[in-house]
Amino acid sequence: DSGVTQTPKHLITATGQRVTLRCSPRSGDLSVYWYQQSLDQGLQFLIQYYNGEERAKGNILERFSAQQFPDLHSELNLSSLELGDSALYFCASSVDPSGMRNTIYFGEGSWLTVV
Amino acid sequence: DAKTTQPPSMDCAEGRAANLPCNHSTISGNEYVYWYRQIHSQGPQYIIHGLKNNETNEMASLIITEDRKSSTLILPHATLRDTAVYYCIVIVTGTASKLTFGTGTRLQVTL
Repeated sequence: DSGVTQTPKHLITATGQRVTLRCSPRSGDLSVYWYQQSLDQGLQFLIQYYNGEERAKGNILERFSAQQFPDLHSELNLSSLELGDSALYFCASSVDPSGMRNTIYFGEGSWLTVV
Repeated sequence: DAKTTQPPSMDCAEGRAANLPCNHSTISGNEYVYWYRQIHSQGPQYIIHGLKNNETNEMASLIITEDRKSSTLILPHATLRDTAVYYCIVIVTGTASKLTFGTGTRLQVTL
């Protein structure tokens, strides 16, 4: 158990809909990362927040947005869903903004299926 | 960031040492070698990292060649639960947002 909690674990929704994925980082971790893993793309970095502020952005679609709240939990909002958005979405956390003096710890992921 | 090359798959008998190679011939002086693994559909798990010295922790050992162009992750006594995809990543410290996972090596531990 990494200490990073993600909900829901599984989600099935229809195209065009909107969903919110939630992440609670490890206690004491200020940095939260979101990754997407699909069968044909591997693990792709989406976005990072540090202490409530956006820190880095990867290949995140405009239909997707994220935020980190004062209690440090984070939400990833996915809207106008398409079949191709079906993937495993991981949240990770680390103590520092760089994530490399301390390691990054991943949650168990949220399975999103768009039908 | 330097690219890495890993064999797509390897087999190892349970109880034997698993030696997973990684080639990173274009590594720069300020780039670290990180190893993560992902057990089927679970979140990636940190294993170990190093700059130029060999490293050991409770999970594994990391051997980095003197020229730093390649490294080997060693699981000293592999078990069935070590069956996973192992990722070798080269990255400059302080750039965790660029942590990208390639295709890795699928290690199958067998009885």
